[in-house]
Amino acid sequence: KQEVTQIPAALSVPEGENLVLNCSFTDSAIYNLQWFRQDPGKGLTSLLLIQSSQREQTSGRLNASLDKSSGRSTLYIAASQPGDSATYLCAATGNQFYFGTGTSLTVIP
Amino acid sequence: DTGVSQDPRHKITKRGQNVTFRCDPISEHNRLYWYRQTLGQGPEFLTYFQNEAQLEKSRLLSDRFSAERPKGSFSTLEIQRTEQGDSAMYLCASSQGWRNEQYFGPGTRLTVT
Repeated sequence: KQEVTQIPAALSVPEGENLVLNCSFTDSAIYNLQWFRQDPGKGLTSLLLIQSSQREQTSGRLNASLDKSSGRSTLYIAASQPGDSATYLCAATGNQFYFGTGTSLTVIP
Repeated sequence: DTGVSQDPRHKITKRGQNVTFRCDPISEHNRLYWYRQTLGQGPEFLTYFQNEAQLEKSRLLSDRFSAERPKGSFSTLEIQRTEQGDSAMYLCASSQGWRNEQYFGPGTRLTVT
């Protein structure tokens, strides 16, 4: 069974800092890896999806990378803002979707 | 495109009662997923439909849980004889095409008293 781990579990940074969130998975036979944002008590918002044949995807201040051979993905957030405060989840897609437990990010003004 | 919608948004029920949740996916999406999420955890996969066919079921989906998607559009998730351990957020997502990018609804929060 696929195991997805996210480190750190929580992160607090001052506004303006660049930061990296980590996601690791045990089974490299994935179709894609998707990053989501979740605000408290709300559903998930898709941020970036990386196909298994791709190495990275970018959207605005966000950049996600994928290294299938090492079972790792990272989400890079540039010039963080207080509005980025949320929980960030990664999901590895095989026959099912497996989510990590998330990284809770707080950006301090 | 109005996004994925779920109804109700909140449900409080007494232990032993049956509850049913509804999910309306994005209109052209042929895949529909149900997840359960408890506080501080990531969503756990429950089941997946492609059109009206239920293709995957997690072992988390006990005999008290049943999901349907009769016409390949909206889906329902029913929990019979609810238990306090069923209290969670139930999330629905839909996707289509080779990218299979999932779009989530706002969720239904179930509280079993």
